[in-house]
Amino acid sequence: GNSVTQMEGPVTLSEEAFLTINCTYTATGYPSLFWYVQYPGEGLQLLLKATKADDKGSNKGFEATYRKETTSFHLEKGSVQVSDSAVYFCALSGMNYGGSQGNLIFGKGTKLSVKP
Amino acid sequence: DSGVTQTPKHLITATGQRVTLRCSPRSGDLSVYWYQQSLDQGLQFLIQYYNGEERAKGNILERFSAQQFPDLHSELNLSSLELGDSALYFCASSQQASGNTIYFGEGSWLTVV
Repeated sequence: GNSVTQMEGPVTLSEEAFLTINCTYTATGYPSLFWYVQYPGEGLQLLLKATKADDKGSNKGFEATYRKETTSFHLEKGSVQVSDSAVYFCALSGMNYGGSQGNLIFGKGTKLSVKP
Repeated sequence: DSGVTQTPKHLITATGQRVTLRCSPRSGDLSVYWYQQSLDQGLQFLIQYYNGEERAKGNILERFSAQQFPDLHSELNLSSLELGDSALYFCASSQQASGNTIYFGEGSWLTVV
């Protein structure tokens, strides 16, 4: 079945460091891929998405490219800030009812802590 | 603010009890999803409703049930509660049944003691 694997955390970085959080997936068909972020004490927020191979999603300085050949969607940011401290979830759209995409399948999350 | 409203934000109850979590989707969204987030299981999809009808079912226990009402709000009913049901329960919504971005509420923290 469909699944998402992301690197285990926690990840601790200094401010302005480069961030990579690895995410790989297993899926039939052509799912859409997402990164969600959960700040302390808050709900999930969509960070970025990509709906087809070679698409690049970007938002708030974060980027991820949908790589079908490596089944990956790694999250990157060139210079992290303390305010980026959060848990990051990689997800893919599930398949249900004749191949349509509805619910999301999440990775286990990666906790990022950025120190000043 | 995603526009998805969940109540209550926090709930403490005893084992064996029953609780109801409520969700109001974003204005105009027809699809509602319920997810459970626990330390050991991570984020798990429970169930999806679209315009009042069940659309997809995930890892939802038989002790749990949900429904979506004509005004599109949804309720998740959890019964015969066990300690292991303690978790953060998210509601989410999207415009259609598929192919749209899914927006999440802030969650309802359930603690079973």
